[in-house]
Amino acid sequence: QKEVEQNSGPLSVPEGAIASLNCTYSDRGSQSFFWYRQYSGKSPELIMSIYSNGDKEDGRFTAQLNKASQYVSLLIRDSQPSDSATYLCAVSGYALNFGKGTSLLVTP
Amino acid sequence: DTGVSQDPRHKITKRGQNVTFRCDPISEHNRLYWYRQTLGQGPEFLTYFQNEAQLEKSRLLSDRFSAERPKGSFSTLEIQRTEQGDSAMYLCASSSRGITDTQYFGPGTRLTVL
Repeated sequence: QKEVEQNSGPLSVPEGAIASLNCTYSDRGSQSFFWYRQYSGKSPELIMSIYSNGDKEDGRFTAQLNKASQYVSLLIRDSQPSDSATYLCAVSGYALNFGKGTSLLVTP
Repeated sequence: DTGVSQDPRHKITKRGQNVTFRCDPISEHNRLYWYRQTLGQGPEFLTYFQNEAQLEKSRLLSDRFSAERPKGSFSTLEIQRTEQGDSAMYLCASSSRGITDTQYFGPGTRLTVL
């Protein structure tokens, strides 16, 4: 069973702070990693993809991948109340294997 | 709007009825996926197509579930003899075959079985 683990939260951060979301995965052969954001009642929306070890930055978002530790993270800088959502980590096989998601609450 | 559309957006049905959902992927995408998501869980893979061929099916996909993708365009997911446990959000995603294979999701169909 290929597993993707996330802390369910909720993770609460004040507006303007850095939110750090973490994910571990069990399949050492995984090649592609994704972060999706999901607002309540809506479908997942792609935020970031990462394929190589290291950091990848896109605006306020930074994804970090460490394949040796089987660990993926997402940093959100200057967090805004509109970032309040569930963040899903997904690892590719022939389909995406998702974690349960981390609920993020950004408080004004 | 990702370009993936699903219909209907909401469906309420009685236990034992059959329901069918439709997904229209991004036009140039040859891969199409169905997932199911229940409250507090991440999406769970059901099945996927590459063009018109159904290549993988999850053990979650009981024999009451059937999916098709005629001519490699839109796809339908049918649930026969619905049960209350089928209540969930049914998500469709599409991607183009390649190294990254990034999947884009449609808005989902919310099924409620009474």
